[in-house]
Amino acid sequence: EAQVTQNPRYLITVTGKKLTVTCSQNMNHEYMSWYRQDPGLGLRQIYYSMNVEVTDKGDVPEGYKVSRKEKRNFPLILESPSPNQTSLYFCASRMTTNPYNEQFFGPGTRLTVL
Amino acid sequence: AQSVTQLGSHVSVSEGALVLLRCNYSSSVPPYLFWYVQYPNQGLQLLLKYTSAATLVKGINGFEAEFKKSETSFHLTKPSAHMSDAAEYFCAVTHRNSGNTPLVFGKGTRLSVIA
Repeated sequence: EAQVTQNPRYLITVTGKKLTVTCSQNMNHEYMSWYRQDPGLGLRQIYYSMNVEVTDKGDVPEGYKVSRKEKRNFPLILESPSPNQTSLYFCASRMTTNPYNEQFFGPGTRLTVL
Repeated sequence: AQSVTQLGSHVSVSEGALVLLRCNYSSSVPPYLFWYVQYPNQGLQLLLKYTSAATLVKGINGFEAEFKKSETSFHLTKPSAHMSDAAEYFCAVTHRNSGNTPLVFGKGTRLSVIA
């Protein structure tokens, strides 16, 4: 089954404790991105990757890092989480950068930073 | 810059009634427009998309949307609401580009269906 998977689905942590949210897709997609969803704000792009070893900032990259060492994986790293990063995070992938292609979303990771 | 405005953060309809969710966009270039649905505790699922072909777009689950350039609108409709339609709906815009093409989302509209 074609899908985007994220782990963990739920995470409660404390300020300053480094964490990684994993994202994996099995569709051989080139384009992957991370979004955060906050009430009343919709989804906003954090980082994106157009292919292996090619990553760049989205609209709200502060406090986040990413890497793309393999085509299928695109982990989101919070080096020193803060309470304002409490949010619902979605990983997404698309075949190419062409927006005509459907973008597939993972099930989401709900992060709480105390 | 592109943007999307969804009028009404919460819409409530009776089962069997018409569903109308409003979306207006702003874009300086020909847009690609999308509607996504999010059921509780799930990711986003594509309902339909407009990519410069037919202006009336049909999607899954009986939904459709019409692209109106003169009104910069892309409203989502369904003739008869079903209880299973209760969810949050997001309109999104992007455009053809050689680089990053993120989806720019509206703030979402929560649809409630009353029996």
